[in-house]
Amino acid sequence: KNQVEQSPQSLIILEGKNCTLQCNYTVSPFSNLRWYKQDTGRGPVSLTIMTFSENTKSNGRYTATLDADTKQSSLHITASQLSDSASYICVVRLTGGGNKLTFGTGTQLKVEL
Amino acid sequence: GAVVSQHPSWVICKSGTSVKIECRSLDFQATTMFWYRQFPKQSLMLMATSNEGSKATYEQGVEKDKFLINHASLTLSTLTVTSAHPEDSSFYICSAKAGQGGSSSYNSPLHFGNGTRLTVT
Repeated sequence: KNQVEQSPQSLIILEGKNCTLQCNYTVSPFSNLRWYKQDTGRGPVSLTIMTFSENTKSNGRYTATLDADTKQSSLHITASQLSDSASYICVVRLTGGGNKLTFGTGTQLKVEL
Repeated sequence: GAVVSQHPSWVICKSGTSVKIECRSLDFQATTMFWYRQFPKQSLMLMATSNEGSKATYEQGVEKDKFLINHASLTLSTLTVTSAHPEDSSFYICSAKAGQGGSSSYNSPLHFGNGTRLTVT
């Protein structure tokens, strides 16, 4: 069982709409949680990084939240654009794990006209 | 921003041949680089951690003799898939971390290459 679970697995929304992606993790203890955007056939690009003490972090139209008590994170995308179509990956880094990262399976987002 | 260049972006090879993939940090020095494999609709799976000037650290289940990693300089790491077979067909991605490590770097982002699509026929 993956220690980082993401939902939904895939999502289709209309351009201009907002959406929220979920990430639940069981990795513990962790030092930070990251959201990456991966376009098809490309490497992931960092959107946000939050330490365990942070609750929210924004990067333009992307806002990530973190609840370390319930071990949940969300990524909210505002006013979606066609270019937001990609896989969004939640990644958790273990404390004391060097750079050992645990990757979620991603949410495939498609933004349509 | 930090750029990681990966080459080639795709390669098709015959079964039994070897393929080399390069990963370069273009505007920063990377003492540590990471190699991942990603199958369709699956997570990135860490294969190995490549340290400049020393042997790579392989994850459990990854054959070090099959996936040869060399990190001869602070800006270049290579992954060679030896005697490739169709089951090695996958998307291989490298990432690099800027700086010299330490606790202050744990919260800095990893910079990923654009990946190499390997198809073994």
